[in-house]
Order: sequence, then structure tokens, then C-alpha cells
Amino acid sequence: EAQVTQNPRYLITVTGKKLTVTCSQNMNHEYMSWYRQDPGLGLRQIYYSMNVEVTDKGDVPEGYKVSRKEKRNFPLILESPSPNQTSLYFCASSPWRGGIGANVLTFGAGSRLTVL
Amino acid sequence: AQTVTQSQPEMSVQEAETVTLSCTYDTSESDYYLFWYKQPPSRQMILVIRQEAYKQQNATENRFSVNFQKAAKSFSLKISDSQLGDAAMYFCAYRREGGNNDMRFGAGTRLTVKP
Repeated sequence: EAQVTQNPRYLITVTGKKLTVTCSQNMNHEYMSWYRQDPGLGLRQIYYSMNVEVTDKGDVPEGYKVSRKEKRNFPLILESPSPNQTSLYFCASSPWRGGIGANVLTFGAGSRLTVL
Repeated sequence: AQTVTQSQPEMSVQEAETVTLSCTYDTSESDYYLFWYKQPPSRQMILVIRQEAYKQQNATENRFSVNFQKAAKSFSLKISDSQLGDAAMYFCAYRREGGNNDMRFGAGTRLTVKP
């Protein structure tokens, strides 16, 4: 089944304790992206990647890091989490250009993160 | 930067009736795509419908259709014969062709379906 898998789905942590949210897709998509969802704000892009070793900042990158060493994986790293990073996080992927499904983002199931 | 506005934070509809969710967007681009995503209580983001800006014909998917007005930069979603399972948060989204290709989302409209 074509899908985006992210883990963990739920996490409660404390301020300053480094954590990683993993994201993996099995559709050979070039483009991958991380979003955070907050009430009244919709989804905002944190980081994106157009291919292996190519990453760039989105609208709200502060406090986050990413890497894209393999095409299928795009982990989100919170080096020193703070309470304002409490949010619902989504990983998504799509083909970069052309073909059926181009420009349609496929989302993971979401990761609910709480930072105390 | 492109922005997407959903002016209705909440809407409600009676089961079997029709409801229209509004969305406007701001862009200077000519090539782009518009989407409606549904987010039920499970939190999964589900694609409802997609519209290419170069197509004049409005997209339709079963009970879901859009009214795309390119000049007015308006992209509303009509749900016909509403069902209880349609209750969800609905997000309007814009994605331009090329560039960093990021997708921009509105703040969402929470739809309640009354039996």
C-alpha cells in the first residue's frame, strides 16, 4: 500500500530533551515536507526537501532540523524542544513534477507532540 | 507570498442537504493547483478534490464539486446530499507550479452534519 509512515504517533516529552519524528514514504517521491497544525492557523510548512541532500526552510523552521540522506526518509529533529512546539505534526510527500498525482500531497497520519 | 483564506471557521448542515464552503486565495502566478482536504476526527488528511488552474471546467468527485472562479481567486466546495460521515475539518489549499512547490493552507472550516 502506498503510504507515508510517521512515528511516533503520540509523544509527551519535557523541555530540552532531544527527539526525532521519523517519516518514510514508499512511493519513490522526490518531494517531502513537514507541517505543523495549530488551531486557527491551518497547516504551516516547517521544512521541505526536493530530493536527496536538498532541503530548505519553510515558514516556521525555528527550533527544527531535518535531513534527507535517503529518498524515502525525511526525519524531523527537535534538538531542544520547548512548550511552543507542542503541536500536531504532519509529514507529506509528492512527485516533484509531472505524471498522475503530481502536486497532490500524500500525508502521514500525524504525530501529536506535547512538550511540558 | 501566496495566502489562502477560509472565512467560515464553522458551518453546519442538515443531513441530505447541500452546503458550500468558501475559500479565496491570493497569488500572482498563472499556473497553480487548488485542493480541498478533509480532516476527520482521526486527524488523517484526505484529499477531497483537486483543480488545475488552467482548466476552466469545475472539478467534480461524486457528491463534491467546486466553483472555481479564477479571476475572482475564489474556490468554493459544494457538498451535496450531506452525510454524517462528511463531518470534519475542511482545508482549502493552494500549490503553485515550480519554485519550491510548497502547499499553502487556509485555517480550515469545521463542518457539522446534523441528523
